[in-house]
This record gives sequence, C-alpha cells and structure tokens, in this order.
Amino acid sequence: SQQGEEDPQALSIQEGENATMNCSYKTSINNLQWYRQNSGRGLVHLILIRSNEREKHSGRLRVTLDTSKKSSSLLITASRAADTASYFCAPVHIAGGTSYGKLTFGQGTILTVHP
Amino acid sequence: SQTIHQWPATLVQPVGSPLSLECTVEGTSNPNLYWYRQAAGRGLQLLFYSVGIGQISSEVPQNLSASRPQDRQFILSSKKLLLSDSGFYLCAWSVRAKQRGDSTGELFFGEGSRLTVL
Repeated sequence: SQQGEEDPQALSIQEGENATMNCSYKTSINNLQWYRQNSGRGLVHLILIRSNEREKHSGRLRVTLDTSKKSSSLLITASRAADTASYFCAPVHIAGGTSYGKLTFGQGTILTVHP
Repeated sequence: SQTIHQWPATLVQPVGSPLSLECTVEGTSNPNLYWYRQAAGRGLQLLFYSVGIGQISSEVPQNLSASRPQDRQFILSSKKLLLSDSGFYLCAWSVRAKQRGDSTGELFFGEGSRLTVL
C-alpha cells in the first residue's frame, strides 16, 4: 500500500469561498479516494475517482486526478462552516487475487471554514 | 445495510493495565477488518488488518495485539498499556475482493475509541 500526502496541512477560509486541497502519491493506482473526518469522529468516505477518470463531481465536491503527475485535488465549492473537518486522500492499488489489503493515510488537511 | 460498532467510546486506563477494544460489523460477511490509531493532531497509522478468522497481519511492531475470533468481530488488546498507547483507535471494514476489480477498497469506519493512558 502507499500513502497519499495532503497539502496544505491547514487551510482557513471564509464561508462561501472555495477550498482546494491537494494530494500526491508515488506509485500506480487503480483509484484514489477522499475521506473526511470531523473532530473526534471516524472517517467518512466522500468520493472515489478511478485511474481512467480525470474529473468527478459529487454535489459541491469536485475531484481531479492527474496520473502523469501522480496527483489529485479536492475542491469544495461555496464552503460552509459545517465543512470544517480534516480531509484525507488514499491512493489505492488493487493487486490481483483475493484480498488486496489496506489503505494508508497521510496527515490530512485541516480545513476551517469561518462563518 | 451495513453498520460497524466500536466500544468503548472512551477509556482512561493506568499504565500497566490491560486493554480490550472491540469492533463488530453487521450486514455483511467476510469483510476485511482493520485497526488504525490516530495520535493527537496526526494522521492515521494502520496497526492491524485481517482477511479472515484467525488471520491477522501486523503493520507496526508494538505493545498491542489483535484477534478475530468470529468473522465480523475484531478485537484490539494489550496486556500492559504504555503511555505511548494513548490515542484515538479506529476500526474499519472493507469488502473483500474475490478477484481483481470487484471491489474498490473503500473503507467504512467506526466512531472510534479514545484511549488515555495515565
């Protein structure tokens, strides 16, 4: 498994602004996933983008993937105070056979949206 | 629908005492199961994962152990806690892939157990 590295480590914006977080990884992937963690809670899956996709949308979320640069970005448009959380990316390489194992996570991006 | 339960939610234990955190999954069978630890303000560290009953892989040498006595039950244990074992422990499950491409690796997390060792 490989770990994604999120950037920036922290991001502070005003409500209504857009928030962009980046993720870099090192080896080939089958898909890349983004997760969100509210303070003191478990992680929640937000969106998955497959290696043959370049962009994906889900509500106010937009994810891009550039496999040539081994990077992804998560854009949250028109942010709300409720978007305040930590965001993690997880690059996934699925090996053949049975279980492919595990996701590993970086330090995440701490997003603070001020009302 | 699938659910994952983790308990206790909060635990304060003295150094040297034993530990048992439990995680159960409902609504699915043959899941992959995982234990992660998150230190304050840090990322997640994968501790153990399991692909079946009695099958445990350890990612990091440490004072902890894991067991999977039943298909949907995953237990994290320690015989003697250290101060450094303090943290936020998260259990997660994923669909076990039977062949390439039939699962995405998406993880479903429990609500976590916060352990403070004093």
